[in-house]
Amino acid sequence: DIQMTQSPSSLSASVGDRVTITCRASQGISNYLAWYQQKPGKVPKLLIYAASTLQSGVPSRFSGSGSGTDFTLTISSLQPEDVATYYCQKYNSAPITFGQGTRLEIK
Amino acid sequence: EVQLVESGGVVVQPGGSLRLSCAASGFTFDDYTMHWVRQAPGKGLEWVSLISWDGGSTYYADSVKGRFTISRDNSKNSLYLQMNSLRTEDTALYYCAKGHSSALGSPFDYWGQGTLVTVSS
Repeated sequence: DIQMTQSPSSLSASVGDRVTITCRASQGISNYLAWYQQKPGKVPKLLIYAASTLQSGVPSRFSGSGSGTDFTLTISSLQPEDVATYYCQKYNSAPITFGQGTRLEIK
Repeated sequence: EVQLVESGGVVVQPGGSLRLSCAASGFTFDDYTMHWVRQAPGKGLEWVSLISWDGGSTYYADSVKGRFTISRDNSKNSLYLQMNSLRTEDTALYYCAKGHSSALGSPFDYWGQGTLVTVSS
């Protein structure tokens, strides 16, 4: 089975900072990669799919890139409401796998 | 407005059984692949199972294979998860999630609020 590894596991940054989270697949998955945001006590929300396509309604400060095995989620200017845990997910075939999550806090 | 409402979560003893339900509305239910995802307390997301739009294809995580059965009733816009031989490690919040398309490989664009399953003696 394909494993998804995110780094870092946790991250603290200041408002206005550029933040990057990486996700690595143990085998190539083309661009079948999604990113989700889960705020404390809330339901996960789809941010990006097909590695770089922004889901409708998601702020443009979020962006994704990558293909094959290496992917990134970038927040261009961190806002207080971005405090959350972020998960990558590979969805090309079963079993579907999530990364372990990256907890993002404000410094 | 898309709505997914899970129900059926309770406290159950190890070895017991449970059936979760998910009532869907606001979209054409039988056009989409559906999923169950769980999250143990304080832990990350774990995909559990998927079912194709017509119920003809089902897949499971290794951790639940042979114990859980996913099904759907398109006439009732409902998704189900039959859970047998429950273990303490099955304790989690169980989410129903909608696939972005009818393709088996599609991201999850809507999630329910979840239903809590606790396996404890």
